[in-house]
Amino acid sequence: EADIYQTPRYLVIGTGKKITLECSQTMGHDKMYWYQQDPGMELHLIHYSYGVNSTEKGDLSSESTVSRIRTEHFPLTLESARPSHTSQYLCATRQGLSDTQYFGPGTRLTVL
Amino acid sequence: QKEVEQNSGPLSVPEGAIASLNCTYSDRGSQSFFWYRQYSGKSPELIMFIYSNGDKEDGRFTAQLNKASQYVSLLIRDSQPSDSATYLCAVTPAAGNKLTFGGGTRVLVKP
Repeated sequence: EADIYQTPRYLVIGTGKKITLECSQTMGHDKMYWYQQDPGMELHLIHYSYGVNSTEKGDLSSESTVSRIRTEHFPLTLESARPSHTSQYLCATRQGLSDTQYFGPGTRLTVL
Repeated sequence: QKEVEQNSGPLSVPEGAIASLNCTYSDRGSQSFFWYRQYSGKSPELIMFIYSNGDKEDGRFTAQLNKASQYVSLLIRDSQPSDSATYLCAVTPAAGNKLTFGGGTRVLVKP
């Protein structure tokens, strides 16, 4: 079954730690996206990729970085986590520009 | 002006009534339009998409698109308490590879 997977689903970590949020998909889609969303607030695009070796920064400035070495995999890394990074991080995929975008289940990150 | 605008709500609707949600967008060349539902703490899930002017119906949901007036709406008929959620409007602009999301409208269906 085609799907989008995000791990971990929940993460509580101390300030200064390096973390990587994983996103993988079996949808076969070229385009992948990372969004940040605080509770009850808007979605903010932080990174996106059109395909392997393609990454772009989104509309919201973020201290995170991404990589796209394989079509199926789009990890997001925070080199030094801070309390301001506490949020929900949503991964999404899409095939064509007019096609539906699908979301993964999200990772809820808490930085103490 | 935001690229995609929605009334944040909450829109309070009695059970069994019709909920009407509106969304306006600024890019006249926008090509495709989506409605997502998002429950608190969950990720958005697609309800409907519409590409052409007019109405599109799927079960209790109807999407309406008017490109000349640059708005898209969502009607929820026979509203149920399980419809209580935030509804996100999303638009594919004429240029670029990203969906643009509105801020969402929170809907509360009261039994």
